[in-house]
Amino acid sequence: QQQVKQSPQSLIVQKGGISIINCAYENTAFDYFPWYQQFPGKGPALLIAIRPDVSEKKEGRFTISFNKSAKQFSLHIMDSQPGDSATYFCAASRIGGGSNYKLTFGKGTLLTVNP
Amino acid sequence: NAGVMQNPRHLVRRRGQEARLRCSPMKGHSHVYWYRQLPEEGLKFMVYLQKENIIDESGMPKERFSAEFPKEGPSILRIQQVVRGDSAAYFCASSPPGGAYQAFFGQGTRLTVV
Repeated sequence: QQQVKQSPQSLIVQKGGISIINCAYENTAFDYFPWYQQFPGKGPALLIAIRPDVSEKKEGRFTISFNKSAKQFSLHIMDSQPGDSATYFCAASRIGGGSNYKLTFGKGTLLTVNP
Repeated sequence: NAGVMQNPRHLVRRRGQEARLRCSPMKGHSHVYWYRQLPEEGLKFMVYLQKENIIDESGMPKERFSAEFPKEGPSILRIQQVVRGDSAAYFCASSPPGGAYQAFFGQGTRLTVV
């Protein structure tokens, strides 16, 4: 059972365009939703994260939109750059619960930004 | 401040051999987590350790896999009698107490079983 579903599997965007990656979760106990960026041969790096008490969080060109009722959240990358080309993972966790150390990951989205 | 250090970066083992993967957490971090990433898949939680204690190994296969985090030295993920299906990237993450959800990941060990 996949608890976090991520789409699309791959995405090609032109430089300057908007990249949008979507995730849906099933476990309503999740209360922490981070996005990770992974370059080839590297480990995942925390990019931005959101708690369900807000509907949107913005950090520079990266924005998370969160829809609690639909159990969905998405990553928007504005003004996408070739250097943003990487694999992006959404994840979910329970900060307040007994398993607050476990991250449940989506399967990832390979983003390619063409110059 | 060095990040999470994993070694080796690449490991090739023949079927039936043992694989030992090492992870040195960031300075000041006493909690270690291991994740496995299969091709075309996201990372899957394997085990959570604190110094000298296994807190949660619910994601570890029941056989052939073990993990430890001794009082001194790195955390070790050990895979005995490796099979082709063990080929994957294994990532270690570390965090201070209470900061598990913001753990920092190492660069991973790519295990190839031939």
